Amino acid sequence: EPEVTQTPSHQVTQMGQEVILRCVPISNHLYFYWYRQILGQKVEFLVSFYNNEISEKSEIFDDQFSVERPDGSNFTLKIRSTKLEDSAMYFCASSVNGGTPTDTQYFGPGTRLTVL
Amino acid sequence: QKEVEQNSGPLSVPEGAIASLNCTYSDRVSQSFFWYRQYSGKSPELIMSIYSNGDKEDGRFTAQLNKASQYVSLLIRDSQPSDSATYLCAVNPVRSGGSNYKLTFGKGTLLTVNP
Repeated sequence: EPEVTQTPSHQVTQMGQEVILRCVPISNHLYFYWYRQILGQKVEFLVSFYNNEISEKSEIFDDQFSVERPDGSNFTLKIRSTKLEDSAMYFCASSVNGGTPTDTQYFGPGTRLTVL
Repeated sequence: QKEVEQNSGPLSVPEGAIASLNCTYSDRVSQSFFWYRQYSGKSPELIMSIYSNGDKEDGRFTAQLNKASQYVSLLIRDSQPSDSATYLCAVNPVRSGGSNYKLTFGKGTLLTVNP
């Protein structure tokens, strides 16, 4: 069964450093998402992406964040200058048709980001 | 602010019992509803989706939706210790101006099934 994959599984970085989190969505999916979950808190939407453009972003997704689909398979989240409060689990998700309400999002295993 | 509320639990049931998980949402015109299971340290895994009022059954799981009451529930029959996890309710709010649908999650209910 096709799965969303994410690398690395755990990233440790120093405050102020740039990190890039990588995702490979399911191959026939066209819509891609990033969510984050701070330890003990709810899963929060960050950004959705379709046709090489950001479709929607939350207030969390400020200028420090960017997303890119650098090739036909990868989808990346970049945090330019990490803060302590960016420490969280970051989940990539993908779906076939994000433009319909019955669309189902499938989540990758996550990258645990620890900012020291 | 669109909210999804769940009892955080923990909900503890004996093996073989029915576990009942509840969720309310604030956006009256939400269109689709999902239950995800999340084991500790893992990612959300889709259990059920439901779009219309009434019940939807899939194996041991039944999702119930009541849009008038803005309420969605998940019943797990014949609960097993392997069902012990956090259950996340997720709602697709109304789409805003050409954007894709995104999920708004509740904080989740921790279910423990005791052997």
